[in-house]
Amino acid sequence: AQRVTQPEKLLSVFKGAPVELKCNYSYSGSPELFWYVQYSRQRLQLLLRHISRESIKGFTADLNKGETSFHLKKPFAQEEDSAMYYCALSVDFNKFYFGSGTKLNVKP
Amino acid sequence: NAGVTQTPKFRVLKTGQSMTLLCAQDMNHEYMYWYRQDPGMGLRLIHYSVGEGTTAKGEVPDGYNVSRLKKQNFLLGLESAAPSQTSVYFCASSYQSSGTGGYNEQFFGPGTRLTVL
Repeated sequence: AQRVTQPEKLLSVFKGAPVELKCNYSYSGSPELFWYVQYSRQRLQLLLRHISRESIKGFTADLNKGETSFHLKKPFAQEEDSAMYYCALSVDFNKFYFGSGTKLNVKP
Repeated sequence: NAGVTQTPKFRVLKTGQSMTLLCAQDMNHEYMYWYRQDPGMGLRLIHYSVGEGTTAKGEVPDGYNVSRLKKQNFLLGLESAAPSQTSVYFCASSYQSSGTGGYNEQFFGPGTRLTVL
């Protein structure tokens, strides 16, 4: 079975503080992992993919196969980062399994 | 390009009524998906399609049917709506993956908020 776990429903930090959104996955094959973001009143959109090893809007995520984790990190949170974040695992035929999401609230 | 569009945006049904949600994409994507989003549950895959004329079940298919008669359209049907189907429904599409490591980003529609009384 493929499963994605995001243990935190809500994460509140102050502007300028570091932020880490946790994601753990369960998959026996070679995973393709993604972070999607949904800003208020906007549609869900891709933030970053593990395969690209990219940094988007200051966010990075490293795949740790030993710990089966793909945590999303940003050293200095901004108010505009406030949104709902979903970790997703992609398997056969582009099927995606999404975590339950973490709402990030960045306080001024 | 409009990307992925969904109609209607909102709908209120009574228990037992039927309806069809329409998803359309103009990106010539092969794959299309229907999800439902519920508080604390994230997005759950209802049905998906890997090409025109094909459909397959996702995680939560019961109570829903789908059709993909044209490549650009993916319809989600509720034959007899139930209050448990109150949710926000998202459609998404993606292009064919080139295999392991292939770029298979999903593009989402704006969602349809459905309430079943």
